[in-house]
Amino acid sequence: AQSVTQLGSHVSVSEGALVLLRCNYSSSVPPYLFWYVQYPNQGLQLLLKYTTGATLVKGINGFEAEFKKSETSFHLTKPSAHMSDAAEYFCAVSVRFRDDKIIFGKGTRLHILP
Amino acid sequence: NAGVTQTPKFQVLKTGQSMTLQCAQDMNHNSMYWYRQDPGMGLRLIYYSASEGTTDKGEVPNGYNVSRLNKREFSLRLESAAPSQTSVYFCASSVPGRERYSNQPQHFGDGTRLSIL
Repeated sequence: AQSVTQLGSHVSVSEGALVLLRCNYSSSVPPYLFWYVQYPNQGLQLLLKYTTGATLVKGINGFEAEFKKSETSFHLTKPSAHMSDAAEYFCAVSVRFRDDKIIFGKGTRLHILP
Repeated sequence: NAGVTQTPKFQVLKTGQSMTLQCAQDMNHNSMYWYRQDPGMGLRLIYYSASEGTTDKGEVPNGYNVSRLNKREFSLRLESAAPSQTSVYFCASSVPGRERYSNQPQHFGDGTRLSIL
């Protein structure tokens, strides 16, 4: 069965520093991978997704993620953190040719230090 | 441009009371989902509906029932609320992709914050 592990339930970075949120997945078949962001008192919004093709995926708000099959990873990065990036981030995986379900990681809360 | 609408936004119940959480989407999506979100647990799937007239259990279905009333609406019912069901509940919807399964993102409502005393 597929699963997702997010390393670090809380990550703090200084404003202007690199953001790196880690995600590893487990899947016996090629996965679809997603990153979602959740701002306080809101639902989840899609940041980016990997389905097929280019392994470096660009999303909204300057975020990008790279699918590395050999490392079973899909880490989220942003070159320069902004205060408005403070939120909770969820990595998610779904499996082709199965069903419509998506498995979410437990989330990483990103704190931006002034 | 409503997307996924959940009602109510907040609710406080007493143990043993019943309640129905409502969800409606206006994107003509086939699939709809109910999740609960608890601190440190991420999102856990309660029930989902791949199409009108079908529903299936997710990871944590006990204590809940659902109804896919039509293509737009998917409701979640707590028959006898328990304190363990205190949580934030999210409804989501998606359209199956060309491969039918799972390559399309889910669109979320803003949640219902439910407290059971």
